[in-house]
Amino acid sequence: SYVLTQPPSVSVAPGQTARITCGGNNIGSKSVHWYQQKSGQAPVLVVYDDSDRPSGIPERFSGSNSGNTATLTISRVEAGDEADYYCQVWDSSTDHPGVFGGGTKLTVL
Amino acid sequence: EVQLLEFGGGLVQPGGSLRLSCAASGFTFSSYAMTWVRQAPGKGLEWVSGINPSGGYTYYADSVKGRFTISRDNPKNTLYLEMDSLRAEDTAVYYCSVRGIRGVTTFDYWGQGALVTVSS
Repeated sequence: SYVLTQPPSVSVAPGQTARITCGGNNIGSKSVHWYQQKSGQAPVLVVYDDSDRPSGIPERFSGSNSGNTATLTISRVEAGDEADYYCQVWDSSTDHPGVFGGGTKLTVL
Repeated sequence: EVQLLEFGGGLVQPGGSLRLSCAASGFTFSSYAMTWVRQAPGKGLEWVSGINPSGGYTYYADSVKGRFTISRDNPKNTLYLEMDSLRAEDTAVYYCSVRGIRGVTTFDYWGQGALVTVSS
C-alpha cells in the first residue's frame, strides 16, 4: 500500500517560515491535501489539491507538489499555527484508498 | 453550515460490538461520499472506511475488514459504522467526514469525534 512519510516535528520562531514535507513514491502524480489539527480538536482542511486553499484559510498557508515530495509552507508563522499537520492522498489503485501521513508537530518557539 | 455529529461511542469489552452514528446537515448528504477516520490516543490519523453516495460501494482498511461495516441512510442524512469483534487496538476517537466538496478526494468537514474504548 501507498506510504506517506512526514518528519515527526518542525520548530520555527514566530514570523519565520515553516516547511513541512510529505514524501511518497511519485507523489507529484497525485493530489495532496493537508489538514491542521490543534490539541483536542478535529482536523481542519487547510490546503487541497496540492496548492488550493479553502475559504477562510489565510494566504500564509500554501502548498506545492513535485516528484517524490509535497510541501506545506506556512509563512509568517504565528503562535496560533502550533498544531499537528497531516498530509493525505487517495490511492485509487487499491481497495483501501485513504492514506494519511504520520503527522508533523509544528512547534512555534 | 456543514455539521457532522457523531453518536454512540463508549466503553465496550474486547470481542464486543458497538454502532456509531453520524448525523449530517448543511449539505446534500445523498450527493457525497462519506468516510470514517480514527485516531488512537496520542497517535496519528488512520483512514478506516468509506462509502459512495448511494451506499452501493464500500471499502475498508485492512485493520478492520471483516469486522466493521459502514452504511448510510440517505433519507435520514445519517452515516453508520457497525463495529464487531472489537479489540483493544480499536480504542480511538472516531471521526466522520464528508468527502469531495472542495476536491474530489478531500475530507472536507469533520465531526467532533466519538471516543470508543475497548477494555475489560
